[in-house]
Amino acid sequence: GAVVSQHPSRVICKSGTSVKIECRSLDFQATTMFWYRQFPKKSLMLMATSNEGSKATYEQGVEKDKFLINHASLTLSTLTVTSAHPEDSSFYICSARPVSSGTRDEQYFGPGTRLTVT
Amino acid sequence: GQQLNQSPQSMFIQEGEDVSMNCTSSSIFNTWLWYKQDPGEGPVLLIALYKAGELTSNGRLTAQFGITRKDSFLNISASIPSDVGIYFCAGYTGRRALTFGSGTRLQVQP
Repeated sequence: GAVVSQHPSRVICKSGTSVKIECRSLDFQATTMFWYRQFPKKSLMLMATSNEGSKATYEQGVEKDKFLINHASLTLSTLTVTSAHPEDSSFYICSARPVSSGTRDEQYFGPGTRLTVT
Repeated sequence: GQQLNQSPQSMFIQEGEDVSMNCTSSSIFNTWLWYKQDPGEGPVLLIALYKAGELTSNGRLTAQFGITRKDSFLNISASIPSDVGIYFCAGYTGRRALTFGSGTRLQVQP
């Protein structure tokens, strides 16, 4: 149980184009999903918290117009990197917190999406 | 923001040896989680700790939630080659977002 998928796993795009990454909780519902960014040999950096049916909460320094987040259902959140530039190349990972967690703080991570902007 | 100090940064051990890593914080955490990340993959939850003083095992892994709520350790006994990877501690302060440690890179020599 508690499986989170991401699509695509790898994407290469040209500078100036937009890329959409999907995060799905496959066997549970998640009112809250999180988007992280990870640079090589570094830890995960929280970008934003995505709540179903409401606007995402962005961490300081993360441009909301650059990284568009939509959480349309209890099993799907999307991250769109708009007008991508080479410096946006990174490993993007989502996580989901099950509705059934209650007061327990559990988060399950997707396998990540490797974005390369040329 | 909240910071977690994780050590050691890396370890190179022989198969069969025991491993210990820890995380400390200047702030109190309500929950401690330990994850393992393989190259090119997302983190996988190993152990979750919810109470100060709690000691929890998962196979060869044992983790404890420090009594002060500002630290946690993870032990791996009798290491095997597939234990190779990066181990992260993570914690909640009360917000619903995780704070991650800097990671411990483990290499196991067969």
